[in-house]
Amino acid sequence: DAGVIQSPRHEVTEMGQEVTLRCKPISGHDYLFWYRQTMMRGLELLIYFNNNVPIDDSGMPEDRFSAKMPNASFSTLKIQPSEPRDSAVYFCASSFNPGITEAFFGQGTRLTVV
Amino acid sequence: KQEVTQIPAALSVPEGENLVLNCSFTDSAIYNLQWFRQDPGKGLTSLLLIQSSQREQTSGRLNASLDKSSGRSTLYIAASQPGDSATYLCAVRIKAAGNKLTFGGGTRVLVKP
Repeated sequence: DAGVIQSPRHEVTEMGQEVTLRCKPISGHDYLFWYRQTMMRGLELLIYFNNNVPIDDSGMPEDRFSAKMPNASFSTLKIQPSEPRDSAVYFCASSFNPGITEAFFGQGTRLTVV
Repeated sequence: KQEVTQIPAALSVPEGENLVLNCSFTDSAIYNLQWFRQDPGKGLTSLLLIQSSQREQTSGRLNASLDKSSGRSTLYIAASQPGDSATYLCAVRIKAAGNKLTFGGGTRVLVKP
């Protein structure tokens, strides 16, 4: 398996624009997580899915953020409208069973909002 | 609320020296603890996963211990090499938070040739 695949790797956008980040989890993993990494706050969970269903979205900072998982092999994180403070690295991770197996992370998307 | 702390924030050692990285957490009711490595501008690479019932895990030059009662884990890297230079993160999965990983701030390691 190629691991968790995220796209794009880098995104530069203007304030107010819509941004969509994409993730393909490892095949067979039932859990998908979106994390955000900043210098100030480190790594924080935004939302996670189990079998394509959102389970915990308490980390989503505002209504401008939304995430979907239409099928087992694809998820999106959307920010609309984007703001400069959304600039961060966004990671997607997947796991077969988080209680007993590892979480595997993608390479991340570095988002810059100017 | 679970707090995960990694001290020191940065560490510099000469090549060949053993590395000792510390991770402490406040809520001992955990499922497991995972150590990651992160290179600059890269994603997280999983190093070791320790279940709450285990005391340690080993992989090559890496050994991680877990003392759940005291809320501590230690990652040992034997005979460090310049290629071990990276940021090392620990993360715990606590029972009260479901499947969420709570991360420490990381320890940035530099191994000097």
